[in-house]
Amino acid sequence: EAGVTQFPSHSVIEKGQTVTLRCDPISGHDNLYWYRRVMGKEIKFLLHFVKESKQDESGMPNNRFLAERTGGTYSTLKVQPAELEDSGVYFCASSQDAGPLRDRNSPLHFGNGTRLTVT
Amino acid sequence: GNSVTQMEGPVTLSEEAFLTINCTYTATGYPSLFWYVQYPGEGLQLLLKATKADDKGSNKGFEATYRKETTSFHLEKGSVQVSDSAVYFCALTDSNFGNEKLTFGTGTRLTIIP
Repeated sequence: EAGVTQFPSHSVIEKGQTVTLRCDPISGHDNLYWYRRVMGKEIKFLLHFVKESKQDESGMPNNRFLAERTGGTYSTLKVQPAELEDSGVYFCASSQDAGPLRDRNSPLHFGNGTRLTVT
Repeated sequence: GNSVTQMEGPVTLSEEAFLTINCTYTATGYPSLFWYVQYPGEGLQLLLKATKADDKGSNKGFEATYRKETTSFHLEKGSVQVSDSAVYFCALTDSNFGNEKLTFGTGTRLTIIP
């Protein structure tokens, strides 16, 4: 089966511009997550979709970030306007199982990430 | 809040050397613990996990034991190979039902030289 696909793989934009990242989860996976790793620091949770609904968006840093998952398939993460501190690697992950991560038989499947550089 | 602290890298070892990557955590309740690995050019993959105290997770020759008394989950391998070169992330998830967030450490880059 195809894995989690993210694009673009790299994006370089200027401060103040808008960027939209896209994630295609594994087909049939209802759970979709966004994480990001900024400046070689820890990977931080951004939000979690179950189908098209936002289950948990407590990690979204501010209102410059907008995530959508229309139709419960692919998801987009828009940053508008981008700031220098938004630079980092944005990871998407999907999972078929529901419930606590510790109980799942199938793990989270991560994409390769989108490296965003804001100059 | 929850947090994970990993030993800082990068770590460079010779092939067949013994590997330890330290990981300690702070969490409320009884978290589950994970090690994820990111090979060059790929996404993160689950390497192993442990869901309760004294559990040992193992995979591909790697092991880690959930030590509640020392709040640690150190990753070990007896004899590393060049193919083990990657970035390793320690992570935890909260014990509260419905909380599905992973809290990661900063990652440790491991390079194995022939």
